[in-house]
Amino acid sequence: ELKVEQNPLFLSMQEGKNYTIYCNYSTTSDRLYWYRQDPGKSLESLFVLLSNGAVKQEGRLMASLDTKARLSTLHITAAVHDLSATYFCAVDRVRGSQGNLIFGKGTKLSVKP
Amino acid sequence: DAGVIQSPRHEVTEMGQEVTLRCKPISGHDYLFWYRQTMMRGLELLIYFNNNVPIDDSGMPEDRFSAKMPNASFSTLKIQPSEPRDSAVYFCASSLGMGGHTEAFFGQGTRLTVV
Repeated sequence: ELKVEQNPLFLSMQEGKNYTIYCNYSTTSDRLYWYRQDPGKSLESLFVLLSNGAVKQEGRLMASLDTKARLSTLHITAAVHDLSATYFCAVDRVRGSQGNLIFGKGTKLSVKP
Repeated sequence: DAGVIQSPRHEVTEMGQEVTLRCKPISGHDYLFWYRQTMMRGLELLIYFNNNVPIDDSGMPEDRFSAKMPNASFSTLKIQPSEPRDSAVYFCASSLGMGGHTEAFFGQGTRLTVV
């Protein structure tokens, strides 16, 4: 069965703290996506990781991909309230089939003062 | 480009009624996807099109659901008859296609409530 598993599913952080969200997947995809969703809103693309060892950073978020371990991480540095949202990782259902995605259940992040 | 455009944003309908959701993909994108999001099942792919042709509809829950893409700039997802368990947020997404270094872009979604 094709699976994408995220943990934790819920994360309550204090502002200024660091934390990591983990995404394990069972497909042979060499491409992984991170999306952000605010309540009642659409999915916003954060990162596209295209190969083993890929690392991308945007502001306080950094994502990495280890295709051998089938693991991606989303690291949050010095969290701020504006980062509160649900974060999804996703992989191609079929290698190269971008858009035909299997999503994780999402990690709901709440950053408190 | 304005992004993927979906309509309506909200739809409330009575059980048994027909519901039609609409989507305009990003111009130039040759793949279009319909997803459904629920608390219980998360985000699920229902069907996707390539160059207006349905490629995989294995995610469509049952025969009450149908989707069409009559041209490159328009797609519909129809539910007939609707049931309360169809209540969900339906997202349309589009992408440039296989092998590129881009991702799927999602519309704002249609929140469907069947009472």
